[in-house]
Amino acid sequence: DAGVIQSPRHEVTEMGQEVTLRCKPISGHNSLFWYRQTMMRGLELLIYFNNNVPIDDSGMPEDRFSAKMPNASFSTLKIQPSEPRDSAVYFCASQRTGTSKNTEAFFGQGTRLTVV
Amino acid sequence: AQTVTQSQPEMSVQEAETVTLSCTYDTSESDYYLFWYKQPPSRQMILVIRQEAYKQQNATENRFSVNFQKAAKSFSLKISDSQLGDAAMYFCAYRRGNTNAGKSTFGDGTTLTVKP
Repeated sequence: DAGVIQSPRHEVTEMGQEVTLRCKPISGHNSLFWYRQTMMRGLELLIYFNNNVPIDDSGMPEDRFSAKMPNASFSTLKIQPSEPRDSAVYFCASQRTGTSKNTEAFFGQGTRLTVV
Repeated sequence: AQTVTQSQPEMSVQEAETVTLSCTYDTSESDYYLFWYKQPPSRQMILVIRQEAYKQQNATENRFSVNFQKAAKSFSLKISDSQLGDAAMYFCAYRRGNTNAGKSTFGDGTTLTVKP
């Protein structure tokens, strides 16, 4: 298995531009999570999906952030418009839940976003 | 709400020595999972070890072992024979264990330095 795949690995953009981060979860995993990691705030859960449905988006900082999961194998996190304070590493993670064999969360390699 | 506390922002250990990282958590649940993740400078989040709350036996993975004290809600990680490659940030995480469980709650992390 290739693991959780995120793209791009690095993104540098100008303030005000739209940024789209992509994630392909591990096949067979039915839960997907978007986390943001910064020095100041540590690892924050932004949103998570179960069976492609958003379950908890209370961590999404503001309306500039949106996430979609159109199918079981793909999710996006979009920031529009981006601001310098959005600079962080964004992680996607997936896990299997709702069965007798729940697994731990498996993380992608993250996208380092820099907004200048 | 569940909380996870890692009281040691930084720790250091001499190569080949043993070090213990602390983690406490707060929950009213009886069925849950606990995890230790490692994040090296490459930023990849890697699962080190997991513990099911219903198991009394402490989990072990090679040089890594835990001391799980359910009544005290404590879950420490012991690294034996420390190696330079163990240098990383370590995160303790908690997740509810029922079949509809979703997100994990992470501590703030402990940065481990290994001295040659």
